[in-house]
Amino acid sequence: EEKLVESGGGLVQPGGSLRLSCVGTGFTFTSYWMSWVRQAPGKGLEWVANIKQDGRAKFYVDSVKGRFTISRDNTEKSVHLQMDSLRADDTAVYFCVRNKLTGDRGRSHFASWGPGTLVSVST
Amino acid sequence: DIRMTQSPSTLSASVGDRVTITCRASQVVNPWLAWYQQKPGKAPKLLISQASILETGVPSRFSGSGSGTEFTLTIDSLQPDDFATYFCQQYSSYPLNFGGGTKVDMK
Repeated sequence: EEKLVESGGGLVQPGGSLRLSCVGTGFTFTSYWMSWVRQAPGKGLEWVANIKQDGRAKFYVDSVKGRFTISRDNTEKSVHLQMDSLRADDTAVYFCVRNKLTGDRGRSHFASWGPGTLVSVST
Repeated sequence: DIRMTQSPSTLSASVGDRVTITCRASQVVNPWLAWYQQKPGKAPKLLISQASILETGVPSRFSGSGSGTEFTLTIDSLQPDDFATYFCQQYSSYPLNFGGGTKVDMK
């Protein structure tokens, strides 16, 4: 059974940092781009970032560029999101997701989702 | 950036109704359009890929259509399990934007 499990969420003050992690099992981790998608409380979905199978290509939504860094460790079947200079509007549930498409195309929809981890940025 | 606009934002319906949700893109995204279903407190579930391809295990009462910039999700004969929020998503270009969502609730 395919599974994605996030960890690392919590309460952090504005300007602080947090590192989210996600472990993927039940599928060939190295075959897929991986992404993070977030959802602010009561709001819609927002794609945040993605990373290629070998980690050499990464893309970000403009609102997090220069503050967030996505990385992956294929030996551990994990993907991470380092979040720095956090702001109140970063408050959201962060989902780790697996791209539906394989291959070089990073622009994809999302076949598998973790349950999410809540990040709250507040004083 | 491609902006995705869903309508309506809320839809009240009864079991057995036919429901149609519209998603409009600010640029052509064909055929890179997906639909998801989300229930409260849960992660979204992929229903439809490439505008009209039903995912394995998704009931056949769900269907997707459209091309270019206008797409629809139709639920034939709404079932109790279908009360949820539905999102469209374009994957034609970065950023991979979602529509604002359509909540289907009980009339």
